[in-house]
Amino acid sequence: DSGVTQTPKHLITATGQRVTLRCSPRSGDLSVYWYQQSLDQGLQFLIQYYNGEERAKGNILERFSAQQFPDLHSELNLSSLELGDSALYFCASSVNSAQETQYFGPGTRLLVL
Amino acid sequence: AQKVTQAQTEISVVEKEDVTLDCVYETRDTTYYLFWYKQPPSGELVFLIRRNSFDEQNEISGRYSWNFQKSTSSFNFTITASQVVDSAVYFCALKEGSWGKLQFGAGTQVVVTP
Repeated sequence: DSGVTQTPKHLITATGQRVTLRCSPRSGDLSVYWYQQSLDQGLQFLIQYYNGEERAKGNILERFSAQQFPDLHSELNLSSLELGDSALYFCASSVNSAQETQYFGPGTRLLVL
Repeated sequence: AQKVTQAQTEISVVEKEDVTLDCVYETRDTTYYLFWYKQPPSGELVFLIRRNSFDEQNEISGRYSWNFQKSTSSFNFTITASQVVDSAVYFCALKEGSWGKLQFGAGTQVVVTP
């Protein structure tokens, strides 16, 4: 158990809908990262927050957004969902962004029908 | 351009055989970090090891060992005396000094049969 929690574990929804994925980092970790794992793209970095502020952006679609709250938990919002958004979404956390190891949560498996 | 290359898509071995997973990376940074993660069939990503670019000392931890060579930009991982529980996808990842993001290779599926 990495100490990173993600909810829900599974999510099934329809095209055009909006969903919110939630992540709680390990105790003491200030950085939260979101990654997407799909069959065609592999593991891709989406976005990073550090202590409530956006720190880095990767291959994140405009339909996707995220935020980190004062209690350091983070939410990833996916809107206008398409079939191709079906993937495993991971949250990871680390103490800071520079040198620390990222520990991953169990992931949220999203299926868009 | 792909920064982390894991050329082996799948490796199948019989229990107790050794398995070596190759990883080649590309970076212009002088400070960077390399990682190996394991993804078992249950789906979670489990951290195995981290190496800093300024630390080329190789390491053995139980049945796992790592060979980091800056001269060839390689960070290979060996499982000695493999077990069925080692069956998983193994990912090599690079974190460049000025970024927090991990850049993953495509992964190598290891299948260990009894």
